[in-house]
Amino acid sequence: EPEVTQTPSHQVTQMGQEVILRCVPISNHLYFYWYRQILGQKVEFLVSFYNNEISEKSEIFDDQFSVERPDGSNFTLKIRSTKLEDSAMYFCASRDSFGNQPQHFGDGTRLSIL
Amino acid sequence: TQLLEQSPQFLSIQEGENLTVYCNSSSVFSSLQWYRQEPGEGPVLLVTVVTGGEVKKLKRLTFQFGDARKDSSLHITAAQPGDTGLYLCAGERSNFGNEKLTFGTGTRLTIIP
Repeated sequence: EPEVTQTPSHQVTQMGQEVILRCVPISNHLYFYWYRQILGQKVEFLVSFYNNEISEKSEIFDDQFSVERPDGSNFTLKIRSTKLEDSAMYFCASRDSFGNQPQHFGDGTRLSIL
Repeated sequence: TQLLEQSPQFLSIQEGENLTVYCNSSSVFSSLQWYRQEPGEGPVLLVTVVTGGEVKKLKRLTFQFGDARKDSSLHITAAQPGDTGLYLCAGERSNFGNEKLTFGTGTRLTIIP
């Protein structure tokens, strides 16, 4: 069964550094999402993306965050100048259409900011 | 802001018992999805319910969407140790457009052999 794949599985970075989290959505999917889950808390929406544009972003998704689909297969989340509070699991999701079609999640990247 | 509250937050029961997990909101959702999440992994979809009053069964799991589409429940019959995990409900406001998921607070279920 097709899967959403995310790399790396674990990223450790010094505070203030930039990180890029990578996702390969399922190949025929058109709608892409990033969510995060701080340890012990619920999964929170960050951003949705379609047709090379952001569809919606949450309050969390401020100017330090950006997303890109650089080559038709990858979907990346960049965090500039990371902060300690950015430490979390980051999940990528994709789906082939809306209208009650489910989102499929990757296994996440654990981001640890030191 | 739409919130989904799950109860109980933690549940530990003996193998063979039945249990129900609840997902409640004051807001109406176009659809509700139930996911299961294992440590170190992403949420895995169990079921999607879209019609008020809808009931779906997945082996020993029964999912129901409230008539007003504001709440949902997950009932497990004869729980087994393999059912142990974190259960998440997640709702969508609309089935038009690139809609995000709003996740519930989660129920951590432990089945004791």
